[in-house]
Amino acid sequence: GESVGLHLPTLSVQEGDNSIINCAYSNSASDYFIWYKQESGKGPQFIIDIRSNMDKRQGQRVTVLLNKTVKHLSLQIAATQPGDSAVYFCAENINTGTASKLTFGTGTRLQVTL
Amino acid sequence: NAGVTQTPKFRVLKTGQSMTLLCAQDMNHEYMYWYRQDPGMGLRLIHYSVGEGTTAKGEVPDGYNVSRLKKQNFLLGLESAAPSQTSVYFCASSRNLAGLHNEQFFGPGTRLTVL
Repeated sequence: GESVGLHLPTLSVQEGDNSIINCAYSNSASDYFIWYKQESGKGPQFIIDIRSNMDKRQGQRVTVLLNKTVKHLSLQIAATQPGDSAVYFCAENINTGTASKLTFGTGTRLQVTL
Repeated sequence: NAGVTQTPKFRVLKTGQSMTLLCAQDMNHEYMYWYRQDPGMGLRLIHYSVGEGTTAKGEVPDGYNVSRLKKQNFLLGLESAAPSQTSVYFCASSRNLAGLHNEQFFGPGTRLTVL
């Protein structure tokens, strides 16, 4: 899994299998979480988000689960494809009163094998 | 609709040189951000802006300055580049109002090397 400050972990999955990428966040006051995908040489791209008053949200082939009790977030990718190979970041949003700021994790590299 | 664009894409500087990175967005977003990304570390916020004419410091602001003279542009300046500023720089923008969704749209990045 992934946590802020750790070395970049790598998850290797076979094409067609499901992938689960984990993230531990730090601030219990975070009200919003986002998963980003970053392909090599490109900027991060939004995948899915979830508010803190939810515990699950589904998108196309992706599901995000939020467990506020243990401050844990996961991204599930169904039927992983070669195009899913990238680094995945979670980010937590904290409202400071005048602005919202995102704090990013270090990322998890997903490698899809054929 | 180009989204967020950054210029230049690559740059090599010598220690002590100055340069400006330009970010432009065509989504009419209020908020803009500059991040740096280093190996093994998450994106770190350098400076951000909550509107035209306003800027604020992020997590790692030292050695950088910013300006937001126009709503669509956010400039990042390095007055005297240092090797520690070798990094990939990303600009982002969002329409956010505090308390609502804060999806940030990122540019393609600028790879800067300081020798």
